[in-house]
Amino acid sequence: DADVTQTPRNRITKTGKRIMLECSQTKGHDRMYWYRQDPGLGLRLIYYSFDVKDINKGEISDGYSVSRQAQAKFSLSLESAIPNQTALYFCATQRGVGRSTDTQYFGPGTRLTVL
Amino acid sequence: AQSVTQPDIHITVSEGASLELRCNYSYGATPYLFWYVQSPGQGLQLLLKYFSGDTLVQGIKGFEAEFKRSQSSFNLRKPSVHWSDAAEYFCAVASTGGFKTIFGAGTRLFVKA
Repeated sequence: DADVTQTPRNRITKTGKRIMLECSQTKGHDRMYWYRQDPGLGLRLIYYSFDVKDINKGEISDGYSVSRQAQAKFSLSLESAIPNQTALYFCATQRGVGRSTDTQYFGPGTRLTVL
Repeated sequence: AQSVTQPDIHITVSEGASLELRCNYSYGATPYLFWYVQSPGQGLQLLLKYFSGDTLVQGIKGFEAEFKRSQSSFNLRKPSVHWSDAAEYFCAVASTGGFKTIFGAGTRLFVKA
């Protein structure tokens, strides 16, 4: 079984709809991240969480919110989706012990299309 | 501010040929550098990383990278490319004590028979 899973894998929605992307991990890592990937832009950080009670905005958090329900679960919500949020979204985990330079482990991604 | 530049959006090489993917970074202190690979439909997987010590780093799948401080570069190499290496490759930099990893825009590798 995969260590980092994301659901759904693909989603098509309409402008204005609320949508939630979910991430679960079995690695026992404290740190979790949400990124979006757009062609030519690489990965950009949306939100990150260093533990259940610690949530922080990344560089492109506007229009998004997150919830860290448990150590293993980190959800990303789009309260009112808009077309420019069409992208590939990745969840990643990282050990909490030690430096932020530890390897990040990525889920398979969720491809979101907002019409 | 940290930044990572991958000058080549895409590269095409013949199977069996050598490969070099370029990465330049901007960072005030000694950076922590990574190369990740993203196969179609997959998440990113770490190929190798550099923290300190020997500037030539060996990774998985026969890849290596060399850290050159004077050139602010961390280029990825492979002596003989296989068709299964076709993927997108991301260079990334992180800072000590920081929380963010900055990713480059990626280089897509095409392998021709």
